[in-house]
Amino acid sequence: QKEVEQNSGPLSVPEGAIASLNCTYSDRGSQSFFWYRQYSGKSPELIMFIYSNGDKEDGRFTAQLNKASQYVSLLIRDSQPSDSATYLCAVELGGYNKLIFGAGTRLAVHP
Amino acid sequence: SQTIHQWPATLVQPVGSPLSLECTVEGTSNPNLYWYRQAAGRGLQLLFYSVGIGQISSEVPQNLSASRPQDRQFILSSKKLLLSDSGFYLCAWGRLQETQYFGPGTRLLVL
Repeated sequence: QKEVEQNSGPLSVPEGAIASLNCTYSDRGSQSFFWYRQYSGKSPELIMFIYSNGDKEDGRFTAQLNKASQYVSLLIRDSQPSDSATYLCAVELGGYNKLIFGAGTRLAVHP
Repeated sequence: SQTIHQWPATLVQPVGSPLSLECTVEGTSNPNLYWYRQAAGRGLQLLFYSVGIGQISSEVPQNLSASRPQDRQFILSSKKLLLSDSGFYLCAWGRLQETQYFGPGTRLLVL
């Protein structure tokens, strides 16, 4: 059974701080990794994807991948109250772009 | 640009009634299409995916079925709904080894 694990939270950070969201996965053959943001009552929207070990930056967001440790993380710099949402980690499995999702981490950014 | 539509947006159905949810994609051809379900406070569960017209793969045994009558149309059905079928149903499109993009979702409540 392929699994993706995330801490359910809530992770509470003050406005302007760095939020660090973590995800581990069980399938060593996974090649593609995705972070989605889901506001309450809405559908998930893509934040970032990462394929290679190391860091990938996009604005205030940085995705980090360590395949040896089977670990993916998302850093959000200068957190804003509008970042308050559930963050879903997804890992691609198989040959047809099948994604396995973690249960998500709820982030709360307080002013 | 690509757009994905789902309808209806919300649905309240009695136990034992039939179900038909529709998903259509615009602005792309031959996409992979996916149906997910998200129970309250839970992660996304992949139900079905399709790589082409008439090609359906089922991920989880249940009383739901899917069909793909046209390249950009994906339908989720049930002959008799159960209480446990309540949830947030999300359609997504994607390509091999690329990101999946979600529609706005259908919220189903079975009473």
